[in-house]
Amino acid sequence: AQSVAQPEDQVNVAEGNPLTVKCTYSVSGNPYLFWYVQYPNRGLQFLLKYITGDNLVKGSYGFEAEFNKSQTSFHLKKPSALVSDSALYFCAVRDTPEAAGNKLTFGGGTRVLVKP
Amino acid sequence: DSGVTQTPKHLITATGQRVTLRCSPRSGDLSVYWYQQSLDQGLQFLIQYYNGEERAKGNILERFSAQQFPDLHSELNLSSLELGDSALYFCASSGTRTTTGELFFGEGSRLTVL
Repeated sequence: AQSVAQPEDQVNVAEGNPLTVKCTYSVSGNPYLFWYVQYPNRGLQFLLKYITGDNLVKGSYGFEAEFNKSQTSFHLKKPSALVSDSALYFCAVRDTPEAAGNKLTFGGGTRVLVKP
Repeated sequence: DSGVTQTPKHLITATGQRVTLRCSPRSGDLSVYWYQQSLDQGLQFLIQYYNGEERAKGNILERFSAQQFPDLHSELNLSSLELGDSALYFCASSGTRTTTGELFFGEGSRLTVL
């Protein structure tokens, strides 16, 4: 079964500094990978996805993610963090095409705190 | 705004009771997914419906059930509630049978069992 791991429960970064949120995955076939963000008392918002093609994927709010097949990683990055980026971030992988349904399996989440 | 609507937003009830959570997917989306978010277990997939039929089942308790109606809205029924059922319940929808599309999430229903 596919799975994702987010090794850091929390990431602290100063405003204006680069932000990286780590994610590693385990799948039996080609990975379909996603990043979502959850602000307090809100639902999950889609940031970006990797299906195929360029290893660097650009998404919403200035975020990007780098797919690395050899390291089975899909780290989320932002060159210059904002205080408003403080939120809970989830990495997710989609079921393989052979599986029934196409649900997403989520990592445990990483809380990002951007300090002024 | 994702286009997915969930009601109620907040619900407080007692142990042993039964509640129903409702979800209206984005216009045109055929798939509905239910997830449970609790503090200690993150986001857990419960169940998926596609065009009225159950398509995938996750860690859903026998006390819980769901269905998707002909107008594509879905309901999650939680019965014999326990304290541990307190959580945020999310509904998500997607449009097609393809495996590349993202899910669109509602704002969630926060259930508190006292």
